[in-house]
Amino acid sequence: GDSVTQMEGPVTLSEEAFLTINCTYTATGYPSLFWYVQYPGEGLQLLLKATKADDKGSNKGFEATYRKETTSFHLEKGSVQVSDSAVYFCALSESVNMLTFGGGTRLMVKP
Amino acid sequence: EAGVAQSPRYKIIEKRQSVAFWCNPISGHATLYWYQQILGQGPKLLIQFQNNGVVDDSQLPKDRFSAERLKGVDSTLKIQPAKLEDSAVYLCASSTLGREWRNTIYFGEGSWLTVV
Repeated sequence: GDSVTQMEGPVTLSEEAFLTINCTYTATGYPSLFWYVQYPGEGLQLLLKATKADDKGSNKGFEATYRKETTSFHLEKGSVQVSDSAVYFCALSESVNMLTFGGGTRLMVKP
Repeated sequence: EAGVAQSPRYKIIEKRQSVAFWCNPISGHATLYWYQQILGQGPKLLIQFQNNGVVDDSQLPKDRFSAERLKGVDSTLKIQPAKLEDSAVYLCASSTLGREWRNTIYFGEGSWLTVV
């Protein structure tokens, strides 16, 4: 079945550091890929998405490129802020509106 | 636009007791989901409704969990009797149908359940 694997956290960075959170997936077809973010005490929010190979999703300075050849969708940001501290979830969807999530990666950004 | 509303936000119950969670989706969203998120894990889909019909409930433990969506709007998720391993955050989510919004799912803040 479908699955998503994320790097384990927590990831601890200083402000303005470069961020990469790795995500790889297994799917039988051609899924859509997503990153969701969960800030402390809040619900999941869609951060960005890509629906086909080589698409790049971007939002709030974050970006991720759909790499079919490596079945990856790594999340990157050039300069993180303290306000980016949250848990980040990679997810995929093969059928309409049904998500499979990874285990989440906690990011802690120190001033 | 109002988001997905859930209540209660927090609940502590003893094992073998029952609990119910309520969800009001975004207005006009035909599809409603309940996810279970155990601490340190990603959310797992329990049940998906389209209008008031069940699309997928393959991961719902039907011996103790039940869910309904009367009139195709609000939904209730019930656990009876609760077990210790049911301690989790129960997330309600909703989405529209239609190509533009395909696969964009909006989540509520969750209902945190602790079973002691």
